[in-house]
Amino acid sequence: QQQVKQSPQSLIVQKGGIPIINCAYENTAFDYFPWYQQFPGKGPALLIAIRPDVSEKKEGRFTISFNKSAKQFSLHIMDSQPGDSATYFCSERLGTYKYIFGTGTRLKVLA
Amino acid sequence: NAGVMQNPRHLVRRRGQEARLRCSPMKGHSHVYWYRQLPEEGLKFMVYLQKENIIDESGMPKERFSAEFPKEGPSILRIQQVVRGDSAAYFCASSPPDGLNVLTFGAGSRLTVL
Repeated sequence: QQQVKQSPQSLIVQKGGIPIINCAYENTAFDYFPWYQQFPGKGPALLIAIRPDVSEKKEGRFTISFNKSAKQFSLHIMDSQPGDSATYFCSERLGTYKYIFGTGTRLKVLA
Repeated sequence: NAGVMQNPRHLVRRRGQEARLRCSPMKGHSHVYWYRQLPEEGLKFMVYLQKENIIDESGMPKERFSAEFPKEGPSILRIQQVVRGDSAAYFCASSPPDGLNVLTFGAGSRLTVL
């Protein structure tokens, strides 16, 4: 079963820390790199996304950085809060419409 | 805008029974995806459908599983003769006709097979 390579699998940080989650993609034709956030008992929801013509995008405390040569993109959460505790997924498109997801990173932010 | 609606939210079946999961996409969305999520695991692609057509079912088990998205009504994921290994959360997502990359997910249907 195809999945995007995502690391780490789990992460525990203190409140105010800066967790970083990495994703390695395969499809160099892909033009959109999203991160999804999922709380327990809920469906994933789009958190932030980047297009490959920029190297970084910030939305509030969330930042995506994109490294085209390494085929990687990362999510940084600035000043992390306990409410950020969730599972984070990156996604990649294979072919025209098939979207696959990473294995997920379970983040816990300690109060 | 009600978003992607899935029902039932929770479903309990005994081994050998059938499970039917329904998904109504967001208004204006004509693309539907089904994903399976096992506990502590990621989202596994199962099938992608447009109205009345299965476009990609490469992630769907060959036996017992089927999906449809009729011209009228919700998309249905059907699991026949369920086994304990089918216990999982099944998520539906939809996207608009222009194929933009953002998927909008429903809250999921959690299937428990006794």
